[in-house]
Amino acid sequence: KAGVTQTPRYLIKTRGQQVTLSCSPISGHRSVSWYQQTPGQGLQFLFEYFSETQRNKGNFPGRFSGRQFSNSRSEMNVSTLELGDSALYLCASKTPGGEVTEAFFGQGTRLTVV
Amino acid sequence: TQLLEQSPQFLSIQEGENLTVYCNSSSVFSSLQWYRQEPGEGPVLLVTVVTGGEVKKLKRLTFQFGDARKDSSLHITAAQPGDTGLYLCAGVITSGTYKYIFGTGTRLKVLA
Repeated sequence: KAGVTQTPRYLIKTRGQQVTLSCSPISGHRSVSWYQQTPGQGLQFLFEYFSETQRNKGNFPGRFSGRQFSNSRSEMNVSTLELGDSALYLCASKTPGGEVTEAFFGQGTRLTVV
Repeated sequence: TQLLEQSPQFLSIQEGENLTVYCNSSSVFSSLQWYRQEPGEGPVLLVTVVTGGEVKKLKRLTFQFGDARKDSSLHITAAQPGDTGLYLCAGVITSGTYKYIFGTGTRLKVLA
C-alpha cells in the first residue's frame, strides 16, 4: 500500500511569489491535513480537508489556502510569499473518521523563501 | 483552547539511561497517538492507545494512557542514539467539534 506522497520535496522561491504544494493521500483516506513546521518547532496546523470540504482551519493568514479534489488529492497554495514562510510543510492522511484516528505523514516539502 | 502539553521540551541524555516523556491535557481523548520525527522527515506513527489505563510496549518503549484518558507517558529504557528525534503525542477530541490535535513536542538527543 503506497504511503502519502508529497511533491515537490524541495522548493526555493523568491519573496512575493506564490507556490503550490501537492499531497496524495493513502488510498481510501478521505481526510488530508496540512501542517507547517519551522526549525525547532512543533507542528502548526494549517487546515484539514475531508471529502473536498474544509473541515478545520488553523490560525494562518488568508495567503494560505488549500483545496481537495474528488480523488482526495490535496493542494496547498501560499501567495505573496514572505521570508517567514520558509518551513517544512507536512501533509497527513488520516484513517477514515471515528474515535480512533491515526495520521500518516508524507516526507514533507521543504520550502525556502529568499 | 484545547492543548496537549508535553514535558520536558528538551532532553539530552547519555546512551543507556532511561527517560520518560509526558503528554498532558485538560481534555478527554478518545484515542491518543505517539509519533517520532527525524530531521527533515515527516513524523512516523509509533503507537495508538485507546483504553484508559492501557499500557503498550514496543521493544524498549513503553506507552501508557492515563485512567481518565487525559494524559499519557512514553518511557524509554536504555536509550540509544537511534532514539534521537522529536517525539509528538496527538489525540482525538470528539466532544463538541471533532478535533485532532498535536502536542508541543519533546526533542530528545541521546549521546553515544
